[in-house]
Amino acid sequence: EAQVTQNPRYLITVTGKKLTVTCSQNMNHEYMSWYRQDPGLGLRQIYYSMNVEVTDKGDVPEGYKVSRKEKRNFPLILESPSPNQTSLYFCASSRPSGFGEQYFGPGTRLTVT
Amino acid sequence: AQSVTQLDSQVPVFEEAPVELRCNYSSSVSVYLFWYVQYPNQGLQLLLKYLSGSTLVKGINGFEAEFNKSQTSFHLRKPSVHISDTAEYFCAVKLTGGGNKLTFGTGTQLKVEL
Repeated sequence: EAQVTQNPRYLITVTGKKLTVTCSQNMNHEYMSWYRQDPGLGLRQIYYSMNVEVTDKGDVPEGYKVSRKEKRNFPLILESPSPNQTSLYFCASSRPSGFGEQYFGPGTRLTVT
Repeated sequence: AQSVTQLDSQVPVFEEAPVELRCNYSSSVSVYLFWYVQYPNQGLQLLLKYLSGSTLVKGINGFEAEFNKSQTSFHLRKPSVHISDTAEYFCAVKLTGGGNKLTFGTGTQLKVEL
């Protein structure tokens, strides 16, 4: 089954404690992206990757890091989480020629206290 | 830069009634348009998309949308809603000129009541 998986689905942590949210896709997609979803703000892009070892900032990259060492994986790293990073996070993937149609993971709800 | 406006944050409607969710976009270049649906505690699923050709596009679950270039709109419609349509709906745009970035609206919560 074609899918994008994320782990963990729920995470409660404390300010400053480094964490990683994993994302993996089995569709051999070149393009992957991370979004955060906040009430009243919709989805905003954090980082994206056009292919292995190629990443770039989205609209709200501050406080986040990513890496793309393998085509299928695109982890999101918060090296020193803060309460304003409490949000719902989605990973998505697509083909470069997929006319923008993106496949989304189930989401990770992060709470930073 | 492109932007998307969904003016209605919430739309309550009774079951079997018609519904329209509004979406307007702003862009200086041509765009592709999308509607995604997010059911409770799930990720986003593509409902339908407009790439080119006929301005009326049909999607899954009986939804359709009409692209209106002069009004820069892409409103989503369904003639008769069901309880199971209760979800959040997002309109999104992507520039046709390359790249995969989607710009999303703020979403419309559709609540279908008995």
